[in-house]
Amino acid sequence: DSGVTQTPKHLITATGQRVTLRCSPRSGDLSVYWYQQSLDQGLQFLIQYYNGEERAKGNILERFSAQQFPDLHSELNLSSLELGDSALYFCASSVGQTPGNEQFFGPGTRLTVL
Amino acid sequence: GENVEQHPSTLSVQEGDSAVIKCTYSDSASNYFPWYKQELGKRPQLIIDIRSNVGEKKDQRIAVTLNKTAKHFSLHITETQPEDSAVYFCAASPTGTASKLTFGTGTRLQVTL
Repeated sequence: DSGVTQTPKHLITATGQRVTLRCSPRSGDLSVYWYQQSLDQGLQFLIQYYNGEERAKGNILERFSAQQFPDLHSELNLSSLELGDSALYFCASSVGQTPGNEQFFGPGTRLTVL
Repeated sequence: GENVEQHPSTLSVQEGDSAVIKCTYSDSASNYFPWYKQELGKRPQLIIDIRSNVGEKKDQRIAVTLNKTAKHFSLHITETQPEDSAVYFCAASPTGTASKLTFGTGTRLQVTL
């Protein structure tokens, strides 16, 4: 157990819908990262927050947005869902704001868009 | 931006043999190179990392080597065991603020008895 929690574990929804994925970082970690892992694909970095502020952005679609709240938990919002958005979404956390700090991954949320 | 290539995509070895996974990167500013192991249905977990001021790092049966001139780094697993079966991801990043980890596409390692 990494100490990073994600809810829900599974999510099944229809095209065009909007969902929210939630992540709670390890105690003491200020950075939260979001990754997308499609079937048989690597990990695609989406976005990073550090202490409430956006720090780095990857290939995140405009339909996706995220935020980090004062209690440091983070939410990833996915809207106008398409079939291709079906994937495993991981959240990771670390103490510092740079990639040189070890990232601890949560168990992931499996999103299925029908 | 950074581009990380990883080979092979699948690797099958017999128990007790060694396994080597290789990665190349494109951004000369990258100086942090972690390796993650992801067992089936589980989360990725860091197994070893190396920074650019070091050429090799070992931790029991695993080792990582880095050649900054050639922009490649490798993971070596010796005396493989069935529990080493997993997908292994390399990654690279500069360590400045606003930097991001770029992952390779993964290597599925199968250790057979």
